[in-house]
Amino acid sequence: DAGVIQSPRHEVTEMGQEVTLRCKPISGHDYLFWYRQTMMRGLELLIYFNNNVPIDDSGMPEDRFSAKMPNASFSTLKIQPSEPRDSAVYFCASSFVDRPYNEQFFGPGTRLTVL
Amino acid sequence: GNSVTQMEGPVTLSEEAFLTINCTYTATGYPSLFWYVQYPGEGLQLLLKATKADDKGSNKGFEATYRKETTSFHLEKGSVQVSDSAVYFCALDHTGRRALTFGSGTRLQVQP
Repeated sequence: DAGVIQSPRHEVTEMGQEVTLRCKPISGHDYLFWYRQTMMRGLELLIYFNNNVPIDDSGMPEDRFSAKMPNASFSTLKIQPSEPRDSAVYFCASSFVDRPYNEQFFGPGTRLTVL
Repeated sequence: GNSVTQMEGPVTLSEEAFLTINCTYTATGYPSLFWYVQYPGEGLQLLLKATKADDKGSNKGFEATYRKETTSFHLEKGSVQVSDSAVYFCALDHTGRRALTFGSGTRLQVQP
């Protein structure tokens, strides 16, 4: 299996622009997680889905952030409008409920820079 | 609520030195505990886990024991290598939920 795939790997944009991050989970996994990593705040859970349904979005910082999972093989995280403080590495992870323990598989991340 | 506290880094060691990275947690219920490792430019990957009290997780020479009485899950390795240089995250899951709570991460630098 190719693992969790994220695109783009790097994104540089200007303040006010819309940014869309993409994630393809491991085939057969039924949970998908979006995290944000910064030096100041560490690794934060933004939102997670189960069977394409959002379960907990309490970590989404504000209304500028939105996430969707239209099918089992694709999810997006959108920021509109973007701000410099959104600069971070965004990780997508997936997991499989039937594993005996809660192992999450992470993608390589998208490094977002908002100028 | 649930939380994880890790020792601050960076931790700098010489090759073949003994490693300890401290991790303590606060949780309701009986969470599983994990150590994840992040190599430069990569996502996190599971290093080891323990699902109940007194369990010892081990992998690649690393070990950690789930101590309920001290609410700790310290990571140890007897002899580190340069290739162990990475950021290490302690984490716990939430009873009844699939989300993980991560500690702040500890950067390990191993010098030849």
